[in-house]
Amino acid sequence: GAVVSQHPSWVICKSGTSVKIECRSLDFQATTMFWYRQFPKQSLMLMATSNEGSKATYEQGVEKDKFLINHASLTLSTLTVTSAHPEDSSFYICSAPDLTSGSEDTQYFGPGTRLTVL
Amino acid sequence: EDQVTQSPEALRLQEGESSSLNCSYTVSGLRGLFWYRQDPGKGPEFLFTLYSAGEEKEKERLKATLTKKESFLHITAPKPEDSATYLCAVHGSSNTGKLIFGQGTTLQVKP
Repeated sequence: GAVVSQHPSWVICKSGTSVKIECRSLDFQATTMFWYRQFPKQSLMLMATSNEGSKATYEQGVEKDKFLINHASLTLSTLTVTSAHPEDSSFYICSAPDLTSGSEDTQYFGPGTRLTVL
Repeated sequence: EDQVTQSPEALRLQEGESSSLNCSYTVSGLRGLFWYRQDPGKGPEFLFTLYSAGEEKEKERLKATLTKKESFLHITAPKPEDSATYLCAVHGSSNTGKLIFGQGTTLQVKP
């Protein structure tokens, strides 16, 4: 149980284009999902909290107009990187807590999406 | 401010050589401390959740313990397949679901 998937697993795009990353909870419903980015040899940095039915909450320093988050349903959140630039190249990972697992604070992570902007 | 510090940054062991990884934390109202394993190019894999001082959990060669200030991940007789980065994270009462991660310990187990 508690499986989170992401699509695509990797994407290469040209500078100035937009890229959409999907995060799905496969066997549970998630009213909240979290988006992280991870640079090489660094730990995970929380970007934003995705809330089903309401606006996402962004961490300080994260541009909400650049990283658009939509929590379309109880099993799907999307992160769109708009007008991507090379400095946006990173590993993007989502997570979600499974409130039915008996450990509502435990977050389960997706496999990540490697974004490379040329 | 909630903070997590892991040590050492890197650890090299021979197969069968037991050791421990440390996670020191400061948090206002601990709601949970979490251990994850992360392989290169993959998302973190959940290992353990600890809630209160004195709690211990085990899984195969791994055992996690918790005190009021730190947590240890003990690795007994490690194998090369245990090589990975181990991440510690805390969830504080003031963080509404957010996890604060440490920098991780990269473990290499040589055959």
